[in-house]
Amino acid sequence: AQTVTQSQPEMSVQEAETVTLSCTYDTSENNYYLFWYKQPPSRQMILVIRQEAYKQQNATENRFSVNFQKAAKSFSLKISDSQLGDTAMYFCAFIPNTNAGKSTFGDGTTLTVKP
Amino acid sequence: EPEVTQTPSHQVTQMGQEVILRCVPISNHLYFYWYRQILGQKVEFLVSFYNNEISEKSEIFDDQFSVERPDGSNFTLKIRSTKLEDSAMYFCASRWAPNTEAFFGQGTRLTVV
Repeated sequence: AQTVTQSQPEMSVQEAETVTLSCTYDTSENNYYLFWYKQPPSRQMILVIRQEAYKQQNATENRFSVNFQKAAKSFSLKISDSQLGDTAMYFCAFIPNTNAGKSTFGDGTTLTVKP
Repeated sequence: EPEVTQTPSHQVTQMGQEVILRCVPISNHLYFYWYRQILGQKVEFLVSFYNNEISEKSEIFDDQFSVERPDGSNFTLKIRSTKLEDSAMYFCASRWAPNTEAFFGQGTRLTVV
């Protein structure tokens, strides 16, 4: 069974600053995928960024980047130049490369961007 | 951009009633999922569905729950006799292949009174 741990229930950052959200996971799988999802107050689940475990290069999407450390089973999200619209709950998720492929989510981190 | 569509966005039902939550996955996707998120808690896996059968289900997905893909486009979650603790946000998700991300619908907020 996989577990995903987000150790920061709440974080805050000043607008235009950089913030890093942490995520660790535990699995015996060798082939899997990691994702960060954003959940604004509307509670919709929005994909922010994805990382394939077999890729050593860290994924980036505009202001969002990850620090993927496979040996340490760590997958942190860095948000640069934070914007007020980044205020949301952020979930880290793990998906094994299997047919069932269910997602396992962390508890989430509530990020508040302050003006 | 293709998206997963869920209806209704909010449903209120009386305890003991049956409820059907509907989802239209992205048209060429093959893997379908239901997740539940009780207010203030993490997203929990309920069930995965592939090739017209359940691939995996969680402990939450007991005999009160069932899923169906009746017509090749819709993917439904039925709760036979709702309980107060079934109140939650229910998310449908779909993906094309195991090595791709899941796309989530906007969710259905179920309130059992």
